[in-house]
Amino acid sequence: GDSVTQMEGPVTLSEEACLTINCTYTATGYPSLFWYVQYPGEGLQLLLKATKADDKGSNKGFEATYRKETTSFHLEKGSVQVSDSAVYFCALSDPGGAQKLVFGQGTRLTINP
Amino acid sequence: GAVVSQHPSRVICKSGTSVKIECRSLDFQATTMFWYRQFPKQSLMLMATSNEGSKATYEQGVEKDKFLINHASLTLSTLTVTSAHPEDSSFYICSARVQGAYEQYFGPGTRLTVT
Repeated sequence: GDSVTQMEGPVTLSEEACLTINCTYTATGYPSLFWYVQYPGEGLQLLLKATKADDKGSNKGFEATYRKETTSFHLEKGSVQVSDSAVYFCALSDPGGAQKLVFGQGTRLTINP
Repeated sequence: GAVVSQHPSRVICKSGTSVKIECRSLDFQATTMFWYRQFPKQSLMLMATSNEGSKATYEQGVEKDKFLINHASLTLSTLTVTSAHPEDSSFYICSARVQGAYEQYFGPGTRLTVT
């Protein structure tokens, strides 16, 4: 079945450092890809998405590009802030009617001032 | 907008009892709601999909008689864990989606501990 594999955490960085969280997927067909973020005490929020190959999703300084040839959707940010500390989930959505989400295991990111 | 709440946020119950968890969409009508389970340091696992007014569709391996899901209105879905056992202890998360839209809006989760 479909699956998502994320870089294991936790990840700890200093403020203004560069961030990459790796995500690869296995899917039949052509899924949509997502990054969700979960801040402490809150529900998951959609951070960005890409629906087809070579699409780049971006939001709040984060970017991820849908790479079909490497089945990857790595999350990047050039300069992280303390407020970016959260758990990040990579996910895919099957192209069928149910559009169910399949999640990676999540990566906890901590940014130190 | 697009806020989903869950109640309770934490619950402790004794083995053999039943627990009900509510999921509400506060400012929109959710035609579809999803229930997930999350174990420590693991990803969210979809348990079931519920559409308003119809029976829930359970994922393979999820016991429908143990995890009762009711989606009686466009703003409320409930998950009842019946005859709970310690292995049911987990973090339960719901999400809601508007008909025709792809984005799911997530609740903050409910921590269930069965003693």
